[in-house]
Amino acid sequence: DVKVTQSSRYLVKRTGEKVFLECVQDMDHENMFWYRQDPGLGLRLIYFSYDVKMKEKGDIPEGYSVSREKKERFSLILESASTNQTSMYLCASRHGTDQGAQYFGAGTRLSVL
Amino acid sequence: QKEVEQNSGPLSVPEGAIASLNCTYSDRVSQSFFWYRQYSGKSPELIMSIYSNGDKEDGRFTAQLNKASQYVSLLIRDSQPSDSATYLCAVNEDTGRRALTFGSGTRLQVQP
Repeated sequence: DVKVTQSSRYLVKRTGEKVFLECVQDMDHENMFWYRQDPGLGLRLIYFSYDVKMKEKGDIPEGYSVSREKKERFSLILESASTNQTSMYLCASRHGTDQGAQYFGAGTRLSVL
Repeated sequence: QKEVEQNSGPLSVPEGAIASLNCTYSDRVSQSFFWYRQYSGKSPELIMSIYSNGDKEDGRFTAQLNKASQYVSLLIRDSQPSDSATYLCAVNEDTGRRALTFGSGTRLQVQP
């Protein structure tokens, strides 16, 4: 069964803190993604990775960085959290072929105070 | 900019009726199409995928694809209150970018 696991369901952080969001998939997928979702704005792609140590910017990469040291793990880093980064963060993974679906983790609801 | 368009709704149907959700996409070379269901506060869950023109049925769900019209739809038969959710249409752009393009979703309300 497909499984994408995000390390936290809820996080509360202070402005200026460095925040790590972790995502692990057990499907041996090449591609992994980080999205944020805000009311009325839909899913917005932050970064994705198509291989270990490879990354590409999505639509809204500003204020974020990522790390992919192992195939199964993809981390999103907020270098200095700001209140406008309060959001639902969703990790997803997908097989390396161009035809497959993306599978999502349960999401992390981050509040930056 | 490649786009996937959905009516935001809400689409309200009575329990037991057929709910019809529609999606259009702009990229003619798109190859694969997906429907996700997202309950409030939860993450999107894949419910259907379709790759060729025509209909694909899975239980109460039927996905319909018309590549010539750049149109994909989802029919939910015998709608239940538990089907009340936002339904996201997603398209593989086949541009080498390995992320799907998502519509903004249609909110479905099934009235008991």
